[in-house]
Amino acid sequence: DARVTQTPRHKVTEMGQEVTMRCQPILGHNTVFWYRQTMMQGLELLAYFRNRAPLDDSGMPKDRFSAEMPDATLATLKIQPSEPRDSAVYFCASGLARGRTDTQYFGPGTRLTVL
Amino acid sequence: AQSVTQPDIHITVSEGASLELRCNYSYGATPYLFWYVQSPGQGLQLLLKYFSGDTLVQGIKGFEAEFKRSQSSFNLRKPSVHWSDAAEYFCAVAAGGGADGLTFGKGTHLIIQP
Repeated sequence: DARVTQTPRHKVTEMGQEVTMRCQPILGHNTVFWYRQTMMQGLELLAYFRNRAPLDDSGMPKDRFSAEMPDATLATLKIQPSEPRDSAVYFCASGLARGRTDTQYFGPGTRLTVL
Repeated sequence: AQSVTQPDIHITVSEGASLELRCNYSYGATPYLFWYVQSPGQGLQLLLKYFSGDTLVQGIKGFEAEFKRSQSSFNLRKPSVHWSDAAEYFCAVAAGGGADGLTFGKGTHLIIQP
């Protein structure tokens, strides 16, 4: 049963610290998405990659967030420095884009708390 | 830009009763529509999707949804709910068929009464 995996599942850190979240997409999928879920804003798209190339990161605060795909089996989302307003659940999703259609499969999320 | 409205923040239904969760979307062209379910502390699981064709879509766990272009709606239904259906339900629309990211509604929290 292929699944998207995310590590860590929970992270508590102090303001100003660097946070790195990791995602392993489903093998063979060519698209990886990062979403953030908060009570106030709901689910928001932060960034996504296709064939490891960044396609859109307009939803991401550029000054402190960065997303990368070092290889096809790993996507990372980094926050430096972290702030209390970054506290949220961060989801990774992967899919196999065929033309315009795609079904996204979500990981379990990383719950981040910034004190 | 596309948007999704889920008018009901909370819905309470008795076990065994029927269910309908509302979803309205805003998008200028043919939308690609999805329903996801999220159990507490879990990720999102796809229930069903509409890309084209038959406007009545069948999904997993006995759910179905009907696309109505004239009403810009994609309501989720289930004829008889089970206690295990208690969860958060999200409707989403994609401009690029899902290949370019999803825009989600704020979700509907479903409570099942015994």
